[in-house]
Amino acid sequence: EVQLVQSGAEVKKPGESLKISCKGSGYSFTSYWIGWVRQMPGKGLEWMGIIYPDDSDTRYSPSFQGHVTISADKSITTAYLQWSSLKASDTAMYYCARHGSCSGGSCHNWFDPWGQGTLVTVSS
Amino acid sequence: SYELTQPPSVSVSPGQTASITCSADKLGDKYACWYQQKPGQSPVLVIYDDTKRPSGIPERFSGSNSGNTATLTISGTQAMDEADYYCQAWDSSTLYVFGTGTKVTVL
Repeated sequence: EVQLVQSGAEVKKPGESLKISCKGSGYSFTSYWIGWVRQMPGKGLEWMGIIYPDDSDTRYSPSFQGHVTISADKSITTAYLQWSSLKASDTAMYYCARHGSCSGGSCHNWFDPWGQGTLVTVSS
Repeated sequence: SYELTQPPSVSVSPGQTASITCSADKLGDKYACWYQQKPGQSPVLVIYDDTKRPSGIPERFSGSNSGNTATLTISGTQAMDEADYYCQAWDSSTLYVFGTGTKVTVL
């Protein structure tokens, strides 16, 4: 079974750093991009960025470029999303999701499955 | 930037058909997919590549995409289909874009 298991909920203060994780299992971790998606309280889904774990090729949404860092450690089949200085506006649920397959330069540009989500709360 | 617009809400009676639209310039030239998100749960892919259903998704879910509009149709809607639905597409400049989301209420 393909699974993405995310790290647990976090409560942080503004200005603190944070790194959350997403561990993949049940498939070839290095063969699929992994994406990160934000959902603020009561709001919709926002694509943040995506990483190819085999070579750590990363793309960011312009809305999140410079605000977060996406990385991966293929030796432990885990992707990460990190902040160096959190703000109250970073309070949200964060999901990782496996991208559809790619071959011959063509990709299926959807996400399935999704992790269970990591709730990040930033409050003084 | 590329934007996908959905109606905020759709209401449907049990057993009837619900149609959820997703609109953007020349959306029909791209592939659209749809996610279902129930309260407190992660999104689930219900339609990909405009019309295809992943394994395990009931046949009552179907999709289409033409012109400027993609549509998710739920035939014979059940109470368990009450959820938020999001369309998503890929654009060469914006990359991955999600729609604004539609809350489906089964009355």
